[in-house]
Amino acid sequence: KAGVTQTPRYLIKTRGQQVTLSCSPISGHRSVSWYQQTPGQGLQFLFEYFSETQRNKGNFPGRFSGRQFSNSRSEMNVSTLELGDSALYLCASSFGDRAVTGELFFGEGSRLTVL
Amino acid sequence: AQSVTQPDIHITVSEGASLELRCNYSYGATPYLFWYVQSPGQGLQLLLKYFSGDTLVQGIKGFEAEFKRSQSSFNLRKPSVHWSDAAEYFCAVDSSNTGKLIFGQGTTLQVKP
Repeated sequence: KAGVTQTPRYLIKTRGQQVTLSCSPISGHRSVSWYQQTPGQGLQFLFEYFSETQRNKGNFPGRFSGRQFSNSRSEMNVSTLELGDSALYLCASSFGDRAVTGELFFGEGSRLTVL
Repeated sequence: AQSVTQPDIHITVSEGASLELRCNYSYGATPYLFWYVQSPGQGLQLLLKYFSGDTLVQGIKGFEAEFKRSQSSFNLRKPSVHWSDAAEYFCAVDSSNTGKLIFGQGTTLQVKP
């Protein structure tokens, strides 16, 4: 069974641009969560989706948005990029109705560099 | 607000030695607790989790963790470390089964030959 797939793995953008990251969960998983990982702030929760609905949102500005499609694939978008958005963005999927009661399976991440 | 503290940013142990990574959480009730491991350039892999019941939890790769309510701790242990255990370890908590994990800052483990 394929794991969580994130694309692209690496990307470089400049300030003011926008970026879209994609996440394909493990087949059969309906919950997808996104996390941002930076050296300074560590791992921070962005949002969680289940059956195309956002169930939880972290403390990030409105420039960060996401969505989930009917096939459970998810995208996150960051608009008007800032230098501080440079980070590893991790997607995680889970089978269960509540993400935490099942195991979270993480992808390898998308590393975004903002110049 | 819930929080997780991993007091040790960096730990170095010799191969074959025992290991204990500390984790303290801040929350009024019993949270859901996790330990994850991240190798360089990789995502996170779940080592073990505690929801309820037996306070000593066994995980993968020979790891175990003990939940101590009185100390608000969930320390990770391994009796004999292997060179392949070198990685970054994260303790995490979900206080209300929301799927929103709060992570500690991580502990980097270096293994000396």
